[in-house]
Amino acid sequence: NAGVMQNPRHLVRRRGQEARLRCSPMKGHSHVYWYRQLPEEGLKFMVYLQKENIIDESGMPKERFSAEFPKEGPSILRIQQVVRGDSAAYFCASSPPSRGAKNIQYFGAGTRLSVL
Amino acid sequence: AQTVTQSQPEMSVQEAETVTLSCTYDTSESDYYLFWYKQPPSRQMILVIRQEAYKQQNATENRFSVNFQKAAKSFSLKISDSQLGDAAMYFCAYRSAEAGTASKLTFGTGTRLQVTL
Repeated sequence: NAGVMQNPRHLVRRRGQEARLRCSPMKGHSHVYWYRQLPEEGLKFMVYLQKENIIDESGMPKERFSAEFPKEGPSILRIQQVVRGDSAAYFCASSPPSRGAKNIQYFGAGTRLSVL
Repeated sequence: AQTVTQSQPEMSVQEAETVTLSCTYDTSESDYYLFWYKQPPSRQMILVIRQEAYKQQNATENRFSVNFQKAAKSFSLKISDSQLGDAAMYFCAYRSAEAGTASKLTFGTGTRLQVTL
């Protein structure tokens, strides 16, 4: 059973370009979470999605950032017109649909975004 | 809003010895979960151990155990018989279990654990 797959592992963009980060959840998981980790800091929640729905986007910057989790295919975190401050590691996690003790989030290896 | 505090930026332990990493949290909720995640240099976040707040018994996973003090809002991680492979960043995390709340994790700032020979 493959784990959470994120690609690319490393992404380099110039200021003003767009960044697309992809996340394929574990098999059987229908919940996806995105977190951002700045250097030497902990992970900060960005957005929580279920298939075709955004459940909680309270951690998403209001501009330039968007996320989707379509019925088919991976979840996408999209950053438009990137700036240097967007440089960070972006982690995706997935969990099964059940609440309670079984709702454990399993993480991918992250995408490190570098903005030149 | 919930907050998680890890007051030890770095810790060091000799191989085969025991080390305890501290974590405190602040919440007004009564039902929640607490986690310790490990992040080695590969950056992969690995779940080490979890605790359900309604359970009084401290969780254990092989060499890893927690000291959960609900009244004090404290959740420390004890690593026994430390191994070189335990060297990593360790993050404490909180998740609400209240009905109607989203399932996001709130993380502390981490403790970097070094294991020496």
